[in-house]
Amino acid sequence: GQQLNQSPQSMFIQEGEDVSMNCTSSSIFNTWLWYKQDPGEGPVLLIALYKAGELTSNGRLTAQFGITRKDSFLNISASIPSDVGIYFCAGQHGSGNTGKLIFGQGTTLQVKP
Amino acid sequence: SAVISQKPSRDICQRGTSLTIQCQVDSQVTMMFWYRQQPGQSLTLIATANQGSEATYESGFVIDKFPISRPNLTFSTLTVSNMSPEDSSIYLCSVWTGSYGYTFGSGTRLTVV
Repeated sequence: GQQLNQSPQSMFIQEGEDVSMNCTSSSIFNTWLWYKQDPGEGPVLLIALYKAGELTSNGRLTAQFGITRKDSFLNISASIPSDVGIYFCAGQHGSGNTGKLIFGQGTTLQVKP
Repeated sequence: SAVISQKPSRDICQRGTSLTIQCQVDSQVTMMFWYRQQPGQSLTLIATANQGSEATYESGFVIDKFPISRPNLTFSTLTVSNMSPEDSSIYLCSVWTGSYGYTFGSGTRLTVV
């Protein structure tokens, strides 16, 4: 089925460094979502984006909805050990509960103290 | 946001048997979604479950293999039938919670031996 291209696949960084990851798609999405998944848990929503060009922050996290509506990025500033986990982007063609989520392959983040 | 409880959290099953996974939400929701996450992979939507009607299955998933029940607005079950080792995955249920986007349960980690 359709998938989003998420990169990088994995990152191993030093505590305090900034992190950037992105997702691209061949099709347009109306909503972009960024999730984090810890081991043994389900994904938890970090940031939701609903408008092209929208830039939204949540603490040290910043995400943007690309102007073309075919891409999005997530930045994490000043990483800390608890940022470790798998980050997924997800796109939705519809809005609200009207469209299924398409997930990226995930970015595994490891932070060295 | 909604709180989702999934049972069991994990199970080891013999091939050829079936497992029923339960998903309980602490509020009434129109649609519930079931996802599969194969080892080291992203999330793939199995089906959408509406109360009072048959579930809608995504391409590659069939009702005989993944029967779903939705008896009321707070509960759903997913059965993985006639299991094989290839069914070893994490199965997650999800609901749309408005401004909080899609909320996920902690998942059921299934190992088929």
